[in-house]
Amino acid sequence: AQKVTQAQTEISVVEKEDVTLDCVYETRDTTYYLFWYKQPPSGELVFLIRRNSFDEQNEISGRYSWNFQKSTSSFNFTITASQVVDSAVYFCALSEANTGNQFYFGTGTSLTVIP
Amino acid sequence: SQTIHQWPATLVQPVGSPLSLECTVEGTSNPNLYWYRQAAGRGLQLLFYSVGIGQISSEVPQNLSASRPQDRQFILSSKKLLLSDSGFYLCAWSVMDRGYQPQHFGDGTRLSIL
Repeated sequence: AQKVTQAQTEISVVEKEDVTLDCVYETRDTTYYLFWYKQPPSGELVFLIRRNSFDEQNEISGRYSWNFQKSTSSFNFTITASQVVDSAVYFCALSEANTGNQFYFGTGTSLTVIP
Repeated sequence: SQTIHQWPATLVQPVGSPLSLECTVEGTSNPNLYWYRQAAGRGLQLLFYSVGIGQISSEVPQNLSASRPQDRQFILSSKKLLLSDSGFYLCAWSVMDRGYQPQHFGDGTRLSIL
């Protein structure tokens, strides 16, 4: 079964619009970690954020914010006032303390910001 | 600071030819190392990971193999490439810490099989 689901395959928004990327995860571990990565057209994956299962506090970093809700097993990512440079594929990932060597990546959401 | 180097950046190979992709990490010791493949427009597929020299775990049965001859060197190989081996190959490393530490990725190798 897929441990991380990113149901949105592709999203297009017009510049300056807000956009939310969804991520739903599945785990039986009580200790786990959630991550978001950005893959720009150049190809490299850039680490954006990590949350641990014991910290549900939402986080804001500039135009980026993350909403972690254990009740719905979701870790959604919102970009406020989107810019063309935000165009990329975004991956959500899960790692579990009991199997810490592996990351489970979602299939990614391709975001296109139209100028 | 830690850096990860992956080469070559681009490779075009004929079907049936061998393959060797190399990845090295600097600035850290005893890292976890990973090879992923990303088909065009698709997600990441974990191919191999290693928690130490000579220790390789394979996630997907295929004609690829991996080796870790040194602590910070991870090599992806094939004796005979197939058309289906085309894709974007990414190497990654992480600190060994029960999943807490993020994985850090190299710039990738775009492999085209003709």
